[in-house]
Amino acid sequence: GQQLNQSPQSMFIQEGEDVSMNCTSSSIFNTWLWYKQDPGEGPVLLIALYKAGELTSNGRLTAQFGITRKDSFLNISASIPSDVGIYFCAGLAYSGAGSYQLTFGKGTKLSVIP
Amino acid sequence: GAVVSQHPSWVICKSGTSVKIECRSLDFQATTMFWYRQFPKQSLMLMATSNEGSKATYEQGVEKDKFLINHASLTLSTLTVTSAHPEDSSFYICSATEAGTGGHEQYFGPGTRLTVT
Repeated sequence: GQQLNQSPQSMFIQEGEDVSMNCTSSSIFNTWLWYKQDPGEGPVLLIALYKAGELTSNGRLTAQFGITRKDSFLNISASIPSDVGIYFCAGLAYSGAGSYQLTFGKGTKLSVIP
Repeated sequence: GAVVSQHPSWVICKSGTSVKIECRSLDFQATTMFWYRQFPKQSLMLMATSNEGSKATYEQGVEKDKFLINHASLTLSTLTVTSAHPEDSSFYICSATEAGTGGHEQYFGPGTRLTVT
C-alpha cells in the first residue's frame, strides 16, 4: 500500500524558533493535509493543499504541495509553547467506489522549550 | 463548523464484553465516516470506511465480525467491539467528510480510549 515518510520523527526547539517538517511518498496524492494531535485528542486539521505547487498559510503555519504531488512540507514560524504536539501529514487519494482515503505519515513530535 | 463528537471519551470494560462507540457529525451531514485505531506513539491506522445506508468496507486484517459498524444516518456511525480482549485496548478515532461540498477532507472526533481488563 501507499506509505508516507515523515521527518523528522521528533524535534526539540527553543521558543521563537522556526520549525520545518516534511513528508515524501512514492505515490501521487490528490490532496495533502496537515493535522496536529494533542495527547488524548483526535487530530485537528491545520492546512489542506489541493494543487501541485500550492503554497498555503494559516497564521504562523505555511505548507506547500510539492510540484511532483509526492511531497509536502509544513513550516511553523516563531514557535510558541502551545505548538507542542504531534504533527501528521496525510495524503488523500481515490480508493475506488467513490471513496477517498487518507494515508498518514508516522508523525513529528514537536517539543518547544520556553 | 465541521465538528465531530465521540461518545464515550473513555471506557473500561471486562474481557469478553462488547462496547459500542458513537461518532456524530454535529453541524454537518457526513457522506462518509471512517474509523481508525491508534496505538501509543503510533500513527492512525484505518480500520474501515462506511457510507450511510451501506455496509462498511474493512481494511485488510480487520475482522468485520469483531468490529461491527453501523452507519444509520448521515450524522451517526457506531463501532461495536464485540467480545473485547485486552489486545483490543487502543484509542479509537472516527472521522467524517462533509456531504455536498465536493471536498474530501476528513474531520476527526476527539477519540475514545478503550481499556479492556
